[in-house]
Amino acid sequence: GQQLNQSPQSMFIQEGEDVSMNCTSSSIFNTWLWYKQDPGEGPVLLIALYKAGELTSNGRLTAQFGITRKDSFLNISASIPSDVGIYFCAGSDAGAGSYQLTFGKGTKLSVIP
Amino acid sequence: SQTIHQWPATLVQPVGSPLSLECTVEGTSNPNLYWYRQAAGRGLQLLFYSVGIGQISSEVPQNLSASRPQDRQFILSSKKLLLSDSGFYLCAWSPVFHTFGSGTRLTVV
Repeated sequence: GQQLNQSPQSMFIQEGEDVSMNCTSSSIFNTWLWYKQDPGEGPVLLIALYKAGELTSNGRLTAQFGITRKDSFLNISASIPSDVGIYFCAGSDAGAGSYQLTFGKGTKLSVIP
Repeated sequence: SQTIHQWPATLVQPVGSPLSLECTVEGTSNPNLYWYRQAAGRGLQLLFYSVGIGQISSEVPQNLSASRPQDRQFILSSKKLLLSDSGFYLCAWSPVFHTFGSGTRLTVV
């Protein structure tokens, strides 16, 4: 089946630093998604990417849909304490019919004030 | 607007007891519905998904079952809980990308 490799697994950074995380896949996706999960909550969608090569920003967040459609990255600029959480990438192959998502295992971000 | 409700938020159950977690979606019709489990605050494991009333697909054979008695209601059940059923259970709905509920923290003791 499809698998997503998300890295790094965890990060400890100083407040104000930039963060970069990425996902790679063994197969092609039509849509890439990035979610953030706060402790004890459900994941919330941050950015959705629908086109190969697409670069999308949402405030301090920037994500790109790789040209090969097998990878995506998420950058966070000037990190703040509320950026703490687990970030998940997810890929969708709408051709599968039921719109299932394949999730990465998550990147746990800790921000040191 | 669409909303998803999941309850209870936390649950402590003894081994061998039954389980019923409920999820409802408002503001949409015929959604795809999903149950995920998350262990130790890490990856999301898809347990069940449903594309319509009475249509359930199981991704991982285990001690749990799911039902969809109404269009916007999805229920996760177990007849006898095991210690290994402890975890954080998330319901989600989608047309394309998932919108998650707030989760249920289940502790089996």
